[in-house]
Amino acid sequence: GENVEQHPSTLSVQEGDSAVIKCTYSDSASNYFPWYKQELGKGPQLIIDIRSNVGEKKDQRIAVTLNKTAKHFSLHITETQPEDSAVYFCAASYSGGGADGLTFGKGTHLIIQP
Amino acid sequence: DGGITQSPKYLFRKEGQNVTLSCEQNLNHDAMYWYRQDPGQGLRLIYYSQIVNDFQKGDIAEGYSVSREKKESFPLTVTSAQKNPTAFYLCASSPPLGETQYFGPGTRLLVL
Repeated sequence: GENVEQHPSTLSVQEGDSAVIKCTYSDSASNYFPWYKQELGKGPQLIIDIRSNVGEKKDQRIAVTLNKTAKHFSLHITETQPEDSAVYFCAASYSGGGADGLTFGKGTHLIIQP
Repeated sequence: DGGITQSPKYLFRKEGQNVTLSCEQNLNHDAMYWYRQDPGQGLRLIYYSQIVNDFQKGDIAEGYSVSREKKESFPLTVTSAQKNPTAFYLCASSPPLGETQYFGPGTRLLVL
């Protein structure tokens, strides 16, 4: 089955700086890669996703890049703000292979220092 | 107002007791899922259901049971066989043929 590894487990950056979180996946058939943000005591919220037919996708201050050859994808947050502090999860799945769930990374705790 | 609701927000279980967590969605999604999250940990899949009256075990199904009698509802029962039930439980759903999962607000289960 699919295995997703996520690094780092904790990331502390100064407010205004950029943050990068990286994930690798094992199954070359995976073609859908969402990112979720989870605030304390709440359910994860989808913030951005990418499919394997594109290499990069942006939405305001966040972007995701995908390298299919190397089987890794990354989340980039620019001009970080205090409200960006949360746990971020990456995930991978094979679209069209049935709705049997995403495989999640173990999460990155992002801390924005004022 | 569309979305996924979970109740209760907090649930207390006594020794030997079965408890049921509710999950309802009005997004017309076919697939629904239950995850368990332990402090500082990722999400582990308990059960999932692709259609009504059908469900499959995930990675950690032992000590849990589910039913899917209606498209909108996917309740999870934590049985007395689950010896370490204290965790944050998350329900999710995804649209037909889609992979994007949308999560509810979660239920925190504590043991008395």
